Amino acid sequence: DSGVTQTPKHLITATGQRVTLRCSPRSGDLSVYWYQQSLDQGLQFLIQYYNGEERAKGNILERFSAQQFPDLHSELNLSSLELGDSALYFCASSANPGPPYEQYFGPGTRLTVT
Amino acid sequence: QKEVEQDPGPLSVPEGAIVSLNCTYSNSAFQYFMWYRQYSRKGPELLMYTYSSGNKEDGRFTAQVDKSSKYISLFIRDSQPSDSATYLCAMSQDNYGQNFVFGPGTRLSVLP
Repeated sequence: DSGVTQTPKHLITATGQRVTLRCSPRSGDLSVYWYQQSLDQGLQFLIQYYNGEERAKGNILERFSAQQFPDLHSELNLSSLELGDSALYFCASSANPGPPYEQYFGPGTRLTVT
Repeated sequence: QKEVEQDPGPLSVPEGAIVSLNCTYSNSAFQYFMWYRQYSRKGPELLMYTYSSGNKEDGRFTAQVDKSSKYISLFIRDSQPSDSATYLCAMSQDNYGQNFVFGPGTRLSVLP
């Protein structure tokens, strides 16, 4: 158990809908990362927050947004969902924003868009 | 051409074998190199971290980086069935994690 929690574990929704994925980092970790993992694209870095501020942005679509709250939990919002958004979404946390990138990953949220 | 490439496998080896896993990359700006292990239906876990070129050893695992060839390797000695997982290489080019890129992963099976 990494200490990172993600809810929900599974989510099934229809195209065009909006969902929110939630992540609680390990106790004491200030940095949160979001990733998308699909069979054809592999693990894609979406976005990083450090102590409430956006720190780095990867291949995150404009339909997706995230934030980190004062209690350090983070939410990833996915809107206007498409079939191609079906994937595993991982959250990871680390104590520091930079190297050695010792990120601890949560168990993931499996999103299915029908 | 993808930015980071890995042979997807599956790679099957007998218990006790030495395993060699490799990644090639195209972006010469990458400086930080990592290997993650991912068990089925779990999140990845960090195995090794290396900065720039060179070797790093941790128990049965050795990571090698050759920046001149844009090639990184992970060696697993005395492989065990519990090593059966997908191994992902990852790399980044700066201190702030910008352009954090993962390889597609190699699936490894260690047979008892």
